[in-house]
Amino acid sequence: SQTIHQWPATLVQPVGSPLSLECTVEGTSNPNLYWYRQAAGRGLQLLFYSVGIGQISSEVPQNLSASRPQDRQFILSSKKLLLSDSGFYLCAWDMAAGSGNTQYFGPGTRLTVL
Amino acid sequence: QQPVQSPQAVILREGEDAVINCSSSKALYSVHWYRQKHGEAPVFLMILLKGGEQKGHEKISASFNEKKQQSSLYLTASQLSYSGTYFCGTESYGQNFVFGPGTRLSVLP
Repeated sequence: SQTIHQWPATLVQPVGSPLSLECTVEGTSNPNLYWYRQAAGRGLQLLFYSVGIGQISSEVPQNLSASRPQDRQFILSSKKLLLSDSGFYLCAWDMAAGSGNTQYFGPGTRLTVL
Repeated sequence: QQPVQSPQAVILREGEDAVINCSSSKALYSVHWYRQKHGEAPVFLMILLKGGEQKGHEKISASFNEKKQQSSLYLTASQLSYSGTYFCGTESYGQNFVFGPGTRLSVLP
């Protein structure tokens, strides 16, 4: 069966510090991968998605970036965090082929920027 | 373009029923429903792929009206465990999957 991992689970960082969040998927090959951000009490904002190694699409301009160095690894980064970067970061995956594919979420990383 | 969900929030007593609607301005070919409990990741509930399709799991069911470009989620005889935020996600022709803004459901004893 497929499993998706995210770490760390929680993170407190000062403004201006760098960020690296990691997501890995097990039990599947060539998944689509997604990074979402959710502000407190708000909806799911799609940040990035990837259909393959090295292929990243950005949905929202911001000071975040994403990379996919391996098939089942997705990394979210920032060089300098802003207060507005605080939120709940969720990684998700779905099967690459066809439509009607369900997205499955990892447990999330709760980021607080102070 | 994000689908519209209604209501934004609903408060129920245990045993009461609720309906959450999801509509789009675009022609849809799939609707997905998720529930997110406070502090947790969203969990997949069900997917509807065909117009007119209805699905159900225990006391939670959903319908998809392709012509009206909308879906409804039905919660029957609600339980405390149903509390959370419900998101629909839609796939439409020419647009990637997108989530709605969510409907916050609170079930009180």
